[in-house]
Amino acid sequence: GAGVSQSPSNKVTEKGKDVELRCDPISGHTALYWYRQSLGQGLEFLIYFQGNSAPDKSGLPSDRFSAERTGGSVSTLTIQRTQQEDSAVYLCASSLYQREIGTDTQYFGPGTRLTVL
Amino acid sequence: KQEVTQIPAALSVPEGENLVLNCSFTDSAIYNLQWFRQDPGKGLTSLLLIQSSQREQTSGRLNASLDKSSGRSTLYIAASQPGDSATYLCAVRPGAGSYQLTFGKGTKLSVIP
Repeated sequence: GAGVSQSPSNKVTEKGKDVELRCDPISGHTALYWYRQSLGQGLEFLIYFQGNSAPDKSGLPSDRFSAERTGGSVSTLTIQRTQQEDSAVYLCASSLYQREIGTDTQYFGPGTRLTVL
Repeated sequence: KQEVTQIPAALSVPEGENLVLNCSFTDSAIYNLQWFRQDPGKGLTSLLLIQSSQREQTSGRLNASLDKSSGRSTLYIAASQPGDSATYLCAVRPGAGSYQLTFGKGTKLSVIP
């Protein structure tokens, strides 16, 4: 079946502009995650959605970052008034809790490379 | 705060060699540990997931071990192939109620034909 997809694959924007990044999770997966991978840094957790529960926003670096998940499926990460330090690869992942093995493996999309000039 | 360290940062080996990648974490109270592979310009592919109650997991030529008390995990790759060239990342999940993964910065592996 189809994996996690993200769009666009690349985005170049000017400082101060707003950007929207999209994630389509694997069909049926209840959990969705956003991570950021900056040059020379590890992956950094941003936000987590699980079903209809309130999202875990504890990883968002500033109030310029927000995300929503419509209908429990597609998610959009929005960055307002972009700064050069926002340049990174933004990765989305989804998962489905597997009761029989008591765990949920996260499956990642290819990412969106954001460059802020 | 959990910190995950991977050593070495880069590794180059000739084809056919067996090799070990290392991962250490500062807080041993983890729920599970996962090894991923990342190819240039692509997302992460999950290789192996070890629950905190397990000691090791195997998949094909890959074997991952976990020593939770000492905060260490290793990924063993047998009979390396050029197609194994990629960056390998380990990530820990802190607890059953927390879904945030904390990642190391990865080991970039090059397998020379």
